[in-house]
Amino acid sequence: NAGVTQTPKFQVLKTGQSMTLQCAQDMNHEYMSWYRQDPGMGLRLIHYSVGAGITDQGEVPNGYNVSRSTTEDFPLRLLSAAPSQTSVYFCASSYLAARGELFFGEGSRLTVL
Amino acid sequence: QKEVEQDPGPLSVPEGAIVSLNCTYSNSAFQYFMWYRQYSRKGPELLMYTYSSGNKEDGRFTAQVDKSSKYISLFIRDSQPSDSATYLCAMSGSLNAGNNRKLIWGLGTSLAVNP
Repeated sequence: NAGVTQTPKFQVLKTGQSMTLQCAQDMNHEYMSWYRQDPGMGLRLIHYSVGAGITDQGEVPNGYNVSRSTTEDFPLRLLSAAPSQTSVYFCASSYLAARGELFFGEGSRLTVL
Repeated sequence: QKEVEQDPGPLSVPEGAIVSLNCTYSNSAFQYFMWYRQYSRKGPELLMYTYSSGNKEDGRFTAQVDKSSKYISLFIRDSQPSDSATYLCAMSGSLNAGNNRKLIWGLGTSLAVNP
């Protein structure tokens, strides 16, 4: 059972470039989300989805887009990368009725030069 | 004032010690309380989950919630070097319109258990 799989694990971008972080889960979870984790700031919610075709903004959505065309996949797109988006990004999923019991991927470390 | 406060440490203890990790919060609507463990360069994993007040025990780990004081604790007995990690508290309240509960996270406490 793979759980939550994130790719790539590491990425270096130049300012202004775009890219997509991939997230896939094989647990049939309705809820999927993207967090970023920064020193001194903790985990901050970027976007989340409660099912295919449904997405919503979290705490820090600016500069990021998401879509949810299938239950399994929830990609995060950086439209025009900025140094402030240098961070570790985590995808997390859960059953909709779960009360905070999230399953996390291993993270994607992004550096924007 | 942040909704959840957690001392970042670092906390360094000898192997076998009892460890106490704590979070305080300000929102009395919180009902669900979680502790996540995060090893270096890994994603967080759920360690303990508690609803409302009281204690919950799982092996060497005990989670305690005191809603009257707005204070939660995680105790680790007979600590091991493998317990060295960052421990994050998280909590949530009632359902929002999307049928999903917003999680509020502590910043995490870094724990080192020395052999």
